[in-house]
Amino acid sequence: DQQVKQNSPSLSVQEGRISILNCDYTNSMFDYFLWYKKYPAEGPTFLISISSIKDKNEDGRFTVFLNKSAKHLSLHIVPSQPGDSAVYFCAASDRGQNFVFGPGTRLSVLP
Amino acid sequence: DAGVIQSPRHEVTEMGQEVTLRCKPISGHNSLFWYRQTMMRGLELLIYFNNNVPIDDSGMPEDRFSAKMPNASFSTLKIQPSEPRDSAVYFCASSLSITNTEAFFGQGTRLTVV
Repeated sequence: DQQVKQNSPSLSVQEGRISILNCDYTNSMFDYFLWYKKYPAEGPTFLISISSIKDKNEDGRFTVFLNKSAKHLSLHIVPSQPGDSAVYFCAASDRGQNFVFGPGTRLSVLP
Repeated sequence: DAGVIQSPRHEVTEMGQEVTLRCKPISGHNSLFWYRQTMMRGLELLIYFNNNVPIDDSGMPEDRFSAKMPNASFSTLKIQPSEPRDSAVYFCASSLSITNTEAFFGQGTRLTVV
């Protein structure tokens, strides 16, 4: 059973619009959440994170929202740019001990 | 720093052969992680080390898989014997400490077992 789910395998968005990538988790022990971006033939790179004590974290064009009661988090990218086209992985951790990754969502930003 | 360095970048081997993947973490990082990425299962954590000691290997799929970290600057992931279903991209990552949740990934090794 997947503890971290990204139910949309792919997403297409027009340049300049908002991209919203969703992630759901099942383990209530998770207290830290991360988003990674991965380009083809490269390793994943850290993008943004959020602790369970917060419900929002913003870094430039990237904002992560956490809804603990729904066990749901989302990554918002606004405005989306063609260079944002990549696979985005959601990951969850319990006190930094274990990391569980979602299967990824492929984002395509169309010019 | 050059970042996390993995070798080889690509490996093609025949079923039954031994495969060894190598990783050099970022200098000063005390934690090292091995991941496997497949289309079916996404990114999976296989094993991680802290101060060269394996902490959790529950993600290692079978006894055919083994990992070592003989010193702070080198780790290996070995598959013996390899099988076609082991074909995947294997990533190594390192972080400052086990509680530091930002990890820096290598470029991965694409393994194809035929």
